[in-house]
Amino acid sequence: GESVGLHLPTLSVQEGDNSIINCAYSNSASDYFIWYKQESGKGPQFIIDIRSNMDKRQGQRVTVLLNKTVKHLSLQIAATQPGDSAVYFCAESNTGKLIFGQGTTLQVKP
Amino acid sequence: GAGVSQSPSNKVTEKGKDVELRCDPISGHTALYWYRQSLGQGLEFLIYFQGNSAPDKSGLPSDRFSAERTGGSVSTLTIQRTQQEDSAVYLCASSQRAGAQETQYFGPGTRLLVL
Repeated sequence: GESVGLHLPTLSVQEGDNSIINCAYSNSASDYFIWYKQESGKGPQFIIDIRSNMDKRQGQRVTVLLNKTVKHLSLQIAATQPGDSAVYFCAESNTGKLIFGQGTTLQVKP
Repeated sequence: GAGVSQSPSNKVTEKGKDVELRCDPISGHTALYWYRQSLGQGLEFLIYFQGNSAPDKSGLPSDRFSAERTGGSVSTLTIQRTQQEDSAVYLCASSQRAGAQETQYFGPGTRLLVL
């Protein structure tokens, strides 16, 4: 069946460093991928998305990379800040409904 | 103008009772989704309203779960005869159009606790 998984459950980084959060997906038919950030007690917040016809997309301090050959997705956060501390979810879609991974907790050390 | 809103924010109920959870999508969004997030888990798809098309109910875990969307706007998720395993955060999302490449925006969720 379909599944989206995250390689690491927790990532701890020093403030100011770059963070990289990885995600593997299994459905080669998926054509849309999203990263969400979820802070404690809140709903997921959209960060950035990418369509399958792209390999890379950049936002403000964030970059998403898509490698369709190995079905891998990553989120890069530049100059990580304490406010970036949260759980990050990747999700995939090819029908409209999203299939989410389990999430990676990002901890930013001051 | 505001984002997706959900009510109540918290709900505590006794096992066997029915509960109704409400979602107000972003104005003008034609697609609406319900997901469930159990403690420490990811998000699990429940149901998807695709504008005028028949809803995709493939994620509903049992026939105790149902959802309606009246007038193409507000949606209600109903859980009948609640069980302790129904305790979770129920999240609603909406997107401007139905389709695989539409960005979904989430509400804050309803935290349901079944005692």
